Amino acid sequence: DSGVTQTPKHLITATGQRVTLRCSPRSGDLSVYWYQQSLDQGLQFLIQYYNGEERAKGNILERFSAQQFPDLHSELNLSSLELGDSALYFCASSVTPGGAENEQFFGPGTRLTVL
Amino acid sequence: AQKVTQAQTEISVVEKEDVTLDCVYETRDTTYYLFWYKQPPSGELVFLIRRNSFDEQNEISGRYSWNFQKSTSSFNFTITASQVVDSAVYFCALSEASGAQKLVFGQGTRLTINP
Repeated sequence: DSGVTQTPKHLITATGQRVTLRCSPRSGDLSVYWYQQSLDQGLQFLIQYYNGEERAKGNILERFSAQQFPDLHSELNLSSLELGDSALYFCASSVTPGGAENEQFFGPGTRLTVL
Repeated sequence: AQKVTQAQTEISVVEKEDVTLDCVYETRDTTYYLFWYKQPPSGELVFLIRRNSFDEQNEISGRYSWNFQKSTSSFNFTITASQVVDSAVYFCALSEASGAQKLVFGQGTRLTINP
């Protein structure tokens, strides 16, 4: 158990819908990363938040957005869902984005299926 | 741009055989981190090792060992006396040492250990 929690574990929805994925980082970790694992794109970085502020963006679609709240949990919002958005979405946390504390601990993932 | 290549898509061996998973990376950074993660059939990502680019010492942890060669930009992973429980997808990843420190993953190698 990494200490990172993600809910829900599974999500099945229809095209055009909007969903919210939730992540709680390990106690003491200020940085949250979101990754998407799909069959065609592999594992890729979406976005990072550090202490409530967006710090870096990767290949995140405009239909997707995220935020980190004062209690440091993070939510990833996916809207106007398409079949191709079906994937495993991971959240990871780390103590800080810099220095030696670079190890990212991954949550169990949320498997999103868009029908 | 950073890139990680795991040329072996799938490997299948018989239990107790030794197996090496290859990882080649590209980066312009002089300081970076290299990682290996294991993804068992249950889906979670399990951290195995992190290596700083300045530390080229090979590392051994039980049946696992890692060979980091900066001259060839490789960070290979060897499992000695493989076991069925080692069956998983293994990912090599690269991270810059500053900034967002997002992980750039290879495509993964699916390792199957047959009894």
